[in-house]
Amino acid sequence: QKEVEQNSGPLSVPEGAIASLNCTYSDRVSQSFFWYRQYSGKSPELIMSIYSNGDKEDGRFTAQLNKASQYVSLLIRDSQPSDSATYLCAVRWDTGRRALTFGSGTRLQVQP
Amino acid sequence: DTGVSQDPRHKITKRGQNVTFRCDPISEHNRLYWYRQTLGQGPEFLTYFQNEAQLEKSRLLSDRFSAERPKGSFSTLEIQRTEQGDSAMYLCASSSLEPGQGTTTAKNIQYFGAGTRLSVL
Repeated sequence: QKEVEQNSGPLSVPEGAIASLNCTYSDRVSQSFFWYRQYSGKSPELIMSIYSNGDKEDGRFTAQLNKASQYVSLLIRDSQPSDSATYLCAVRWDTGRRALTFGSGTRLQVQP
Repeated sequence: DTGVSQDPRHKITKRGQNVTFRCDPISEHNRLYWYRQTLGQGPEFLTYFQNEAQLEKSRLLSDRFSAERPKGSFSTLEIQRTEQGDSAMYLCASSSLEPGQGTTTAKNIQYFGAGTRLSVL
C-alpha cells in the first residue's frame, strides 16, 4: 500500500514568518509531487508541482524534493493570514497510473 | 468560466435513494477523475477516464457506484441505494498533456472543481 503521510497540525506561525510543511511517502517508485491548498469547504487548488530532486521556487513558495529520503516539503515565506488553510501533499506513483494519492493534509494557521 | 464545473453543489438525500452528479471538465482536457473526500482526510481516488474510456477504478468504487463519460466530454457519477457512509464531498478533476510533452513525461496537472457535497440522511 503506497502511502503519503503528513502531520495534521495545526501548524501555527506568526504573520511574516516562514511556514514549513512536510510530507513523506512510502515508495521510491514515484514520479510527480504536488502541493494543493484547500480552504475550508472549498476544492483543492494547485500551489506547486515538483518532479526532480532539489528546490523549486514560485513567488513566496518553495517546494523541496529529496527522493533518497522520500520526503517533499513546502516552504511559505512571509506568511500571511490569507495563507491559513489546509495544505495537501499529493504523489503520482510511477506505475503508469494517473491517479493522485493524497496525504490527509496539514492545517496551517497564520496569526496576525 | 473555463474551470471544472460540478453540479449540483449540494445534495441531500434519504438512505436508499439514487443520486447522480455531473462534472464538466476544462474544455479540451481529455482526462477526467473522480475523487471522494471526507472531513479531515485528503481526496481519495475513485475512477479515471481518458476520453470516453474508463481506464482505472479504485476498490473504493463498489458496485453501487457507476461512472460514465459519453463522447469524452462531461461525466456523470451515480450512486445507487445510497448509504450514510456515502456522505462526503465528491470532487471532479481534469487534466491534459502539457504542450510539447510526450506521454512518458507528461506533467498531468489535475485541476479540481468545486465539488458536490452529498449528505445521506
